[in-house]
Amino acid sequence: EAGVAQSPRYKIIEKRQSVAFWCNPISGHATLYWYQQILGQGPKLLIQFQNNGVVDDSQLPKDRFSAERLKGVDSTLKIQPAKLEDSAVYLCASSLVGRDTQYFGPGTRLTVL
Amino acid sequence: GESVGLHLPTLSVQEGDNSIINCAYSNSASDYFIWYKQESGKGPQFIIDIRSNMDKRQGQRVTVLLNKTVKHLSLQIAATQPGDSAVYFCAENMRDTGFQKLVFGTGTRLLVSP
Repeated sequence: EAGVAQSPRYKIIEKRQSVAFWCNPISGHATLYWYQQILGQGPKLLIQFQNNGVVDDSQLPKDRFSAERLKGVDSTLKIQPAKLEDSAVYLCASSLVGRDTQYFGPGTRLTVL
Repeated sequence: GESVGLHLPTLSVQEGDNSIINCAYSNSASDYFIWYKQESGKGPQFIIDIRSNMDKRQGQRVTVLLNKTVKHLSLQIAATQPGDSAVYFCAENMRDTGFQKLVFGTGTRLLVSP
């Protein structure tokens, strides 16, 4: 079974620019998560979707971050405008509805200069 | 706020030794715990999980122990191999309004010497 796919794997931008990340979850996984992982720390949840609806976005900096999952399958996370402190790995994870185990993608490493 | 933490940031062992990675949690309402392994440049990889109604669960070369009395979780790796070198995270499931919310600790780096 294919795992969670993410692209791009690496991105370097200058501050105030915008950037978008893409995630395709494991087939059949209705729940999708975006995490931010700053170097040396554990992942921190940004937003959780169930199908195309937002379940939890309490830790998403909504003034600059946005995410969507229009058709309930793949998802995009956008940052506009980026700040230096947004430099991190952005991880996507998915799980079956009602199941606790989350499976992670390889992540996108973002560097903001 | 409540959080998950780890006692040791780095653990160095020799190949063939048994490794024990510890984790403290503070939310007594957490009902599910999970260990992930993260190698450099990769996403977290599921290792083993345990529910709060269990004290111990075994997998292939790994065992997770849960002590709810002192809110402590540990991961035991038997016969540690160089391929086990990675950062290990514990996470607790904090159910908020009925939905799962995993809260991760900082992580412990395991270094295995041949």
